Amino acid sequence: SYALTQPPSVSVSPGQTASITCSGDKLGDKYVYWYQHKSGQSPVLVIYQDRQRPSDIPERFSGSSSGSTATLTISGTQAVDEADYYCQAWDNNSGVFGAGTKVTVL
Amino acid sequence: EVQLVESGGGLVKPGGSLRLSCAASGFTFSSYTMTWVRLTPGTGLEWVASYSRRSASISYAESVRGRFTISRDDARKSVYLQMNSLRAGDTAVYYCAREDGYKALDIWGQGTVVTVSS
Repeated sequence: SYALTQPPSVSVSPGQTASITCSGDKLGDKYVYWYQHKSGQSPVLVIYQDRQRPSDIPERFSGSSSGSTATLTISGTQAVDEADYYCQAWDNNSGVFGAGTKVTVL
Repeated sequence: EVQLVESGGGLVKPGGSLRLSCAASGFTFSSYTMTWVRLTPGTGLEWVASYSRRSASISYAESVRGRFTISRDDARKSVYLQMNSLRAGDTAVYYCAREDGYKALDIWGQGTVVTVSS
């Protein structure tokens, strides 16, 4: 079955840039979606179709994809961005999530 | 306001059954594919099942196929998840989510907790 690989954790200082990678076989042939999840809350869509940002998501969130790797970048990271981030793709009409990356703002 | 509200979670013994419901409001329900996703402490988010708009197609994760059944009632603006032969590994927070035209899960419910334990 299709799998997406993410690093378990990323640490970043306030105001710095956090980059979260997501890799999968021929991932560049699929669209990638990114979700933010904070404990006790519902997941929130932050990036769709590799690099598109919903209107209510801050501009500091951006996405890119090249080859087998997609990347979520948080520029000027704020304490409020501390959360788990999941990448997701569709494979033959089945949803696949990465295991999630915990972003810690130190 | 666009909203999804889940209900039906609870504590159930292994081998038991549970039916989750998700009521939608604030949008044209019949125009959207609806999806169930679960969050488990050890695994994170896991896609469970999707029911496309206009009842065109249904798909399931391998881990639940044959045990779970997704259904929808467009007149009631609701999607359901019938869960049978429940296992400890099915313990999770279950979310329903709307899939938009870009295949993004753009709206999520607040989740309902399912605990499978003897």
